[in-house]
Amino acid sequence: AAGVIQSPRHLIKEKRETATLKCYPIPRHDTVYWYQQGPGQDPQFLISFYEKMQSDKGSIPDRFSAQQFSDYHSELNMSSLELGDSALYFCASSRLAGGYEQYFGPGTRLTVT
Amino acid sequence: GENVEQHPSTLSVQEGDSAVIKCTYSDSASNYFPWYKQELGKRPQLIIDIRSNVGEKKDQRIAVTLNKTAKHFSLHITETQPEDSAVYFCAASWGVGLTGGGNKLTFGTGTQLKVEL
Repeated sequence: AAGVIQSPRHLIKEKRETATLKCYPIPRHDTVYWYQQGPGQDPQFLISFYEKMQSDKGSIPDRFSAQQFSDYHSELNMSSLELGDSALYFCASSRLAGGYEQYFGPGTRLTVT
Repeated sequence: GENVEQHPSTLSVQEGDSAVIKCTYSDSASNYFPWYKQELGKRPQLIIDIRSNVGEKKDQRIAVTLNKTAKHFSLHITETQPEDSAVYFCAASWGVGLTGGGNKLTFGTGTQLKVEL
């Protein structure tokens, strides 16, 4: 079965640079969620989109922005990167009409040096 | 907002024994409680979930129980095997199929389960 796809899988950036993370949800899934997971931490919700509209917002810094496109893929844009942004970034998708289950992608490991 | 507490933070059991992980939540509006298994550097993997209209759910060696009154839910793993070793996260959300929001997961702090031979 098709799963959530994330790219790139690894990303190394320097402080103050920008990064763009991409997420391709499971086919026919209409909702995308972004989570940030620091080392030894639980995933923290950042932002979500339903049918290309922002549906919820969590602890996402103002330096970050995201959107969902007409093909349902989503991009997380991160600017003025800080050392503390180093983390695993997961995208998850679900189909609202199909239930509440969220399925996670393999994640993007972002390292800021 | 929702707050989820999880205990214990580490759990070591012998192969074949049972393991129990407990979580409590604060928001009485939460109605969906999934459990995820995460191996080091890998994605959280949904292993079982329960909705607030059900008290217990079982899938082979894994079961989850929910006590809405006390606002706590538990994961039970029987006949543990070395491949069960991982970090387990409980989570809660209040999504009721809302199109305008909800469904974001609030996670517990995780339990490192180690199954020893």
